[in-house]
Amino acid sequence: GQNIDQPTEMTATEGAIVQINCTYQTSGFNGLFWYQQHAGEAPTFLSYNVLDGLEEKGRFSSFLSRSKGYSYLLLKELQMKDSASYLCAVRERNTDKLIFGTGTRLQVFP
Amino acid sequence: GAVVSQHPSRVICKSGTSVKIECRSLDFQATTMFWYRQFPKQSLMLMATSNEGSKATYEQGVEKDKFLINHASLTLSTLTVTSAHPEDSSFYICSAISGILGGEQYFGPGTRLTVT
Repeated sequence: GQNIDQPTEMTATEGAIVQINCTYQTSGFNGLFWYQQHAGEAPTFLSYNVLDGLEEKGRFSSFLSRSKGYSYLLLKELQMKDSASYLCAVRERNTDKLIFGTGTRLQVFP
Repeated sequence: GAVVSQHPSRVICKSGTSVKIECRSLDFQATTMFWYRQFPKQSLMLMATSNEGSKATYEQGVEKDKFLINHASLTLSTLTVTSAHPEDSSFYICSAISGILGGEQYFGPGTRLTVT
């Protein structure tokens, strides 16, 4: 079976750092993706991890531990425009299906 | 980067009618396209996998006779919601990958369907 969990909502202050966690259990793993989605829009790609460790991309970093079935997205120097939903998605081996987590709604306050 | 378009972006239809949504890969050939549905404040739920030239593979709980998928060419997949009802009102998003397995998925901008 497949199960991907994220916190439903988080709040943070402008300029701060926030970490959004994602835990997963899937039958076959071929990478983990993070997407940002603003209301009424399609998801936009943020990061991709297939090996253990940290991938850094500007203000955003993503970490993966395959043995623990765990990932996090780290957002630094938060800006108001970072208020959005953040979706964790696991790609299934052999099918390329993306199975999405529940999504985390992040609100950034001034 | 690769571009995927959807048409229409918004559609309002009456209960009982059918609605067709198109998903096109504009600058690459998509061997596989995926269709997702997203209800308000929820995450994306995969509905079906669409492969060019073959029947779509539906996820558990998705009615294949209600959500007809046709992947007629390497750049076009269509989703037809037949006999739409208000509970079918949702945000429908397609994505496309090219070539071999492991390719990146590119998402379309989504179609907002409202059934009155």
